[in-house]
Amino acid sequence: AQTVTQSQPEMSVQEAETVTLSCTYDTSESDYYLFWYKQPPSRQMILVIRQEAYKQQNATENRFSVNFQKAAKSFSLKISDSQLGDAAMYFCAYRSVGGGGSEKLVFGKGTKLTVNP
Amino acid sequence: GAVVSQHPSRVICKSGTSVKIECRSLDFQATTMFWYRQFPKQSLMLMATSNEGSKATYEQGVEKDKFLINHASLTLSTLTVTSAHPEDSSFYICSARVGVGNNSPLHFGNGTRLTVT
Repeated sequence: AQTVTQSQPEMSVQEAETVTLSCTYDTSESDYYLFWYKQPPSRQMILVIRQEAYKQQNATENRFSVNFQKAAKSFSLKISDSQLGDAAMYFCAYRSVGGGGSEKLVFGKGTKLTVNP
Repeated sequence: GAVVSQHPSRVICKSGTSVKIECRSLDFQATTMFWYRQFPKQSLMLMATSNEGSKATYEQGVEKDKFLINHASLTLSTLTVTSAHPEDSSFYICSARVGVGNNSPLHFGNGTRLTVT
């Protein structure tokens, strides 16, 4: 079974600065999807960014980018120019590509990000 | 864009009673829906996968007779917590997949906070 590990329970960053959240995963599959979700106090799960494992290029969405190291099974999230609205729980998640019910998301335990003004 | 509506957002019930939580896809047909449970300050744990027109697939350790799932249409899945107990108090979140392809994204509802007294 796949597992996702987020080793940083909490992180903090000054507004306008850059922060990197770590995520590692374990799988025997060669193709899969990786995601970062944001969960603000409202508890709504919001997709931040996704990466297909077969793509070597790191995904980027505005101020959010990832460092995907497939061999190391690492998938870190970099938030540039941090804003107060970025404060939230961030979850790293893994999803298999295959069918048969394997489409479920496996989540890490989350990292609580605080943005200091 | 695709929206998943979850109702109610909060519910308080007495021990021994049953509670029904609805998850609706508002502008798309959801062939598959997922039910997650989130304890305070913890990650989301998949409870079951709900497939329209067929029985739900439950994760190991989840009691199917206690957490009844019905996916009677392409836009509605319901989770019924039967004979609720205080330990069932938690945050329940549903997600729905748009389409059936491997690339199809998951959209999350706003969650339901269940408190059993």
